[in-house]
Amino acid sequence: QKEVEQDPGPLSVPEGAIVSLNCTYSNSAFQYFMWYRQYSRKGPELLMYTYSSGNKEDGRFTAQVDKSSKYISLFIRDSQPSDSATYLCAMARGETSGSRLTFGEGTQLTVNP
Amino acid sequence: EPEVTQTPSHQVTQMGQEVILRCVPISNHLYFYWYRQILGQKVEFLVSFYNNEISEKSEIFDDQFSVERPDGSNFTLKIRSTKLEDSAMYFCASSEGPEAFFGQGTRLTVV
Repeated sequence: QKEVEQDPGPLSVPEGAIVSLNCTYSNSAFQYFMWYRQYSRKGPELLMYTYSSGNKEDGRFTAQVDKSSKYISLFIRDSQPSDSATYLCAMARGETSGSRLTFGEGTQLTVNP
Repeated sequence: EPEVTQTPSHQVTQMGQEVILRCVPISNHLYFYWYRQILGQKVEFLVSFYNNEISEKSEIFDDQFSVERPDGSNFTLKIRSTKLEDSAMYFCASSEGPEAFFGQGTRLTVV
């Protein structure tokens, strides 16, 4: 079983739609959860970082963590063509700062004008 | 805004040659990392570095790989004898805590 599972998509939505991106994980040691955005042949760009169950909002983005279900989500409201990218979930264990990140496969999102 | 910078952006090398990939992490960060991404695959952890020593490494990071912080600003990844399967994007990252900030990557092509 993979430690982190993410639906690779591709996901295509019209501009203005609400996008839901999801990851599940199997390792209970994961305590920190991140979402990155990656444009083609570029480095991952940190979007959201959370460490507790519940919701965290930043502008049009909301990250949701449910540790009891080992499930995390990223919601994008009022999606824009510039949101077209691959979205990566990533997780780290909690025992120290500087823990390795374990990434999902990435979900490729296209927002159509 | 502070950022992680990597050089070169693209390196082509012959199989068996040594390559050094260079990174300048964000200045007040204490943790440094190398990750790689083979085309079409997920981002994979290679190694983490803290307090001038390797703190963790993956099974990918075998004896042909080494890391060094030669001065107060640079962080390097050396691949001693490159193989075709080393072709990938290599990302440097740095952090103060669990959330890591990535550079734009070096695309390594081994021919």
